[in-house]
Amino acid sequence: SQTIHQWPATLVQPVGSPLSLECTVEGTSNPNLYWYRQAAGRGLQLLFYSVGIGQISSEVPQNLSASRPQDRQFILSSKKLLLSDSGFYLCAWSPTSGGTDTQYFGPGTRLTVL
Amino acid sequence: SQKIEQNSEALNIQEGKTATLTCNYTNYSPAYLQWYRQDPGRGPVFLLLIRENEKEKRKERLKVTFDTTLKQSLFHITASQPADSATYLCALDMSNDYKLSFGAGTTVTVRA
Repeated sequence: SQTIHQWPATLVQPVGSPLSLECTVEGTSNPNLYWYRQAAGRGLQLLFYSVGIGQISSEVPQNLSASRPQDRQFILSSKKLLLSDSGFYLCAWSPTSGGTDTQYFGPGTRLTVL
Repeated sequence: SQKIEQNSEALNIQEGKTATLTCNYTNYSPAYLQWYRQDPGRGPVFLLLIRENEKEKRKERLKVTFDTTLKQSLFHITASQPADSATYLCALDMSNDYKLSFGAGTTVTVRA
């Protein structure tokens, strides 16, 4: 069966510090991968998605970036965090076959920028 | 522009009653619609998918309807239990390119 991992689970970082969140998927090949942010009490905001290694599409201009160095690894980064980057970050994957884009989410990372 | 709207108010119901959640969308004709459940501090979990040619779909105590004329889906939790308390999200592929657009969610609280 497929599993998705995210780490760390929680993170407290000062403003201006760098960020690296990692997501890995097991049990599937060539998944579509997604990064979302969810502010407190708000909906899911799609940040990045990837349909293959090295292929990244950005949905929202911001100081974040994403990379996909391996088929089942997706990394979210920032060189300098802003207070507004605080939130709940979710990684998700969907199969490339099947045609319904059902997404399977990781456990999330709670980021607090102080 | 395309938009997804869910019940804006939280829903509080008595155990054993039926909760009905609404998802409305505009300016698009999706081939299918999905419902997810999200518990506090957790990632959303896929529950049900209904296609445009399906009027109704059931899974245990859950029932989803899809009216493409009204551009609306209804999500029913029958014989509700306190364990059903969560936020429920509807989602559509509104751009036909691997991405889902999610509604803001409706928070359901079931009182014992």
